[in-house]
Amino acid sequence: GNSVTQMEGPVTLSEEAFLTINCTYTATGYPSLFWYVQYPGEGLQLLLKATKADDKGSNKGFEATYRKETTSFHLEKGSVQVSDSAVYFCALPHLYGNNRLAFGKGNQVVVIP
Amino acid sequence: DGGITQSPKYLFRKEGQNVTLSCEQNLNHDAMYWYRQDPGQGLRLIYYSQIVNDFQKGDIAEGYSVSREKKESFPLTVTSAQKNPTAFYLCASSIVSNRDEAFFGQGTRLTVV
Repeated sequence: GNSVTQMEGPVTLSEEAFLTINCTYTATGYPSLFWYVQYPGEGLQLLLKATKADDKGSNKGFEATYRKETTSFHLEKGSVQVSDSAVYFCALPHLYGNNRLAFGKGNQVVVIP
Repeated sequence: DGGITQSPKYLFRKEGQNVTLSCEQNLNHDAMYWYRQDPGQGLRLIYYSQIVNDFQKGDIAEGYSVSREKKESFPLTVTSAQKNPTAFYLCASSIVSNRDEAFFGQGTRLTVV
């Protein structure tokens, strides 16, 4: 089935710094790609998505571009805030025609004032 | 408001007891899912259902059971056969496609005491 790989380890950065979280995927065809965010003690919320190659998803200052040449969907934000501290998950459908999702392991982001 | 509701938010169970986690959605979604989340392991799929009265095992179904008697409801039973049940459990729902996102509940934290 399809899969995603996220960069290892937590990310700690200062307020107003630039954030990048890497996500690469292996997939049959061109399924939608998603970034989810999880705040402490809560469920997952969809942050953004892209449904086809070269699409850019964006929300709350976050962006990610669906790049089929590099099979990547990296998440970026130009100036993070303390309120962006959360766990971020990259995801895609596990199999073509089925939107059971396959998730990366997630990245804990901590923004220091 | 449409959404997906999990209850209870916190649940304590004695060893050897079965316990049932509730998940209800009013989004008119055909597909529903149960995930387990442990620190550092991301989300792992327990069971999923794409239509009433039908469900499939996910990656870690042993020690769990589900039913799908109504479109709106997908309860998960954690049985005494589950050797390490303490975890955060997340329910999700979606339409059946490979283009659309899943919507998540707020989660249930189960602790074995």
